[in-house]
Amino acid sequence: AQKITQTQPGMFVQEKEAVTLDCTYDTSDPSYGLFWYKQPSSGEMIFLIYQGSYDQQNATEGRYSLNFQKARKSANLVISASQLGDSAMYFCAMREGGSGTYKYIFGTGTRLKVLA
Amino acid sequence: NAGVTQTPKFRILKIGQSMTLQCTQDMNHNYMYWYRQDPGMGLKLIYYSVGAGITDKGEVPNGYNVSRSTTEDFPLRLELAAPSQTSVYFCASSYQGGYSNQPQHFGDGTRLSIL
Repeated sequence: AQKITQTQPGMFVQEKEAVTLDCTYDTSDPSYGLFWYKQPSSGEMIFLIYQGSYDQQNATEGRYSLNFQKARKSANLVISASQLGDSAMYFCAMREGGSGTYKYIFGTGTRLKVLA
Repeated sequence: NAGVTQTPKFRILKIGQSMTLQCTQDMNHNYMYWYRQDPGMGLKLIYYSVGAGITDKGEVPNGYNVSRSTTEDFPLRLELAAPSQTSVYFCASSYQGGYSNQPQHFGDGTRLSIL
């Protein structure tokens, strides 16, 4: 069975510092995709970054990078130079493939608070 | 570019009432999804569709129905509303849905309260 685990319900970081949000996953499918989304207090879901299971390099998008350790089944999000606007809920998600169906499973999220 | 549009944004229902949450997308995505998000929790998949005329159950389908008569529209029907269905509902769409790096695009959500 697929599973996404985010073990940090809440995190604090000082403005301009880097922060790592943890995500571990469990799947028996060799082909899968991992996504991170940001949900600010206004409620919308904003796509941040993607990592495919066959990607050789860790994904980066601006200040966001993904520390992908396939053998450990972890896909941690790293936010560099935190800004006050980074305060939000962050969700890790995994896309299931195979059998012609495509479903996504989300973790329970990590609430990040950036301190001035 | 409108993306994924959900209506209404807010709704209060009485127990036993029915309603339809509307979702439409203009990106020609063939995969569409309905999720619910309970307070402080992640998203749980209710139903999804891989194309017009094709729907399938997700993790929590009981009490809901969907239809997909067109590529653009994917309405979610609540029959006999119950307090346990109080939640925020998100509709999402994606291109091809898998084996690609295309993310899901989300609507702004519908906040539904059952009293």
